[in-house]
Amino acid sequence: ETGVTQSPTHLIKTRGQQVTLRCSSQSGHNTVSWYQQALGQGPQFIFQYYREEENGRGNFPPRFSGLQFPNYSSELNVNALELDDSALYLCATRTSGSAGTQYFGPGTRLTVL
Amino acid sequence: AQSVTQPDIHITVSEGASLELRCNYSYGATPYLFWYVQSPGQGLQLLLKYFSGDTLVQGIKGFEAEFKRSQSSFNLRKPSVHWSDAAEYFCAYGGSQGNLIFGKGTKLSVKP
Repeated sequence: ETGVTQSPTHLIKTRGQQVTLRCSSQSGHNTVSWYQQALGQGPQFIFQYYREEENGRGNFPPRFSGLQFPNYSSELNVNALELDDSALYLCATRTSGSAGTQYFGPGTRLTVL
Repeated sequence: AQSVTQPDIHITVSEGASLELRCNYSYGATPYLFWYVQSPGQGLQLLLKYFSGDTLVQGIKGFEAEFKRSQSSFNLRKPSVHWSDAAEYFCAYGGSQGNLIFGKGTKLSVKP
């Protein structure tokens, strides 16, 4: 078990709504990444935060945004939800440096109706 | 673009049989490579990683993987599969942003 926790576990929203997902970092890990895992697919990189600044982003639109707090915890916000946003959202934390191993939380299952 | 290919979507092996899951990557002279396992409805657990050095790496739960630069491969192996190994396995490549680029995964089923 990693020290990474995520909340909530499950969430149901309707199209057009906004959602906030939360992640607490493993102790000592200052970098957090968020991934979207659609059913039957591998996780896709959304973005990464280091020292409260976004320093990497995958191919996701601006309605996916995030925050990192001084204690390294993080939020993922998604505006104007679409049906295709239904997925498992995973956060992963690591120490800085591109070779740092990422440790994943259990994920938040988002269903958009 | 960097990509990871796992050619086998689903593999079924008998308990006690050997296992090899294939992974190929498309880019990088000195790649960082990882294997993760995901049980149903769960997050990802790191099995092993390759950064440099010995091309045969040992991981947890009796898994090992061999990096072959000439074949751009990083196949995962286990000599004797246990029923508890049934899960989905993901190969990943360390991207330039410090992110992970994942394959689509291989689902492993274990027959008693």
